[in-house]
Amino acid sequence: EVQLVESGGGLVQPGGSLRLSCVASGFTFKSYYMHWVRQVPGKGLVWVSNINRDGTTTIYADSVKGRFTVSRDNAKNTVYLQVNSLRVEDTAIYFCARTIRGNYHLDYWGQGTRVTVSS
Amino acid sequence: DIVMTQSPDSLAVSLGERATINCKSSQSVLYSSNNQNFLAWYQQKPGQPPKVLIYWASTRESGVPDRFSGSGSGTDFTLTISSLQAEDVAVYYCQQYFSAPFTFGPGTKVDIK
Repeated sequence: EVQLVESGGGLVQPGGSLRLSCVASGFTFKSYYMHWVRQVPGKGLVWVSNINRDGTTTIYADSVKGRFTVSRDNAKNTVYLQVNSLRVEDTAIYFCARTIRGNYHLDYWGQGTRVTVSS
Repeated sequence: DIVMTQSPDSLAVSLGERATINCKSSQSVLYSSNNQNFLAWYQQKPGQPPKVLIYWASTRESGVPDRFSGSGSGTDFTLTISSLQAEDVAVYYCQQYFSAPFTFGPGTKVDIK
């Protein structure tokens, strides 16, 4: 069974940092691109970033470019999102999801981890 | 960036009746070399992550009931629920995966009338 389990969220002050993790199981992790999507509770979905199979290519939404860094460890079946210089508007649930190719639909999603940025 | 819009924002449909959701992209998401529309539809129920229903604009994901169908090409797309069931109450999103950032529509909330 495909599973994606996010962790690492929490309450952080503006300007702070967190490292979000997403552990994958039930499929060949290194064969998939991984994505991060966020959602303010009660609001819509916003694509944040993705990383290719071997971690050599990453793409970011303009709103997080320069502040967020996506990486992966295929030996640990884990994708990370380092979120720095956090702003109140980064408050959201962060989901990881997979695609078989870069330009493809997101076929499995994790349950998400909540990030709250507040003083 | 490709901007996705959806209409209506919300709709209420009687059980067994048809629900239709529209999605429009600010530029074509049709890739001419393979004639595929890089457009997916997702369903999100409260407290759950989104679940893909339709991809390539009209291909139903495995396990998705056949009352869900997708149509359209280029910039205009439609998700149809042919006979609304109680379990279909959710928010529905379209997403383009033609070019990064892979933007979503704002969502359409479907309720029972």
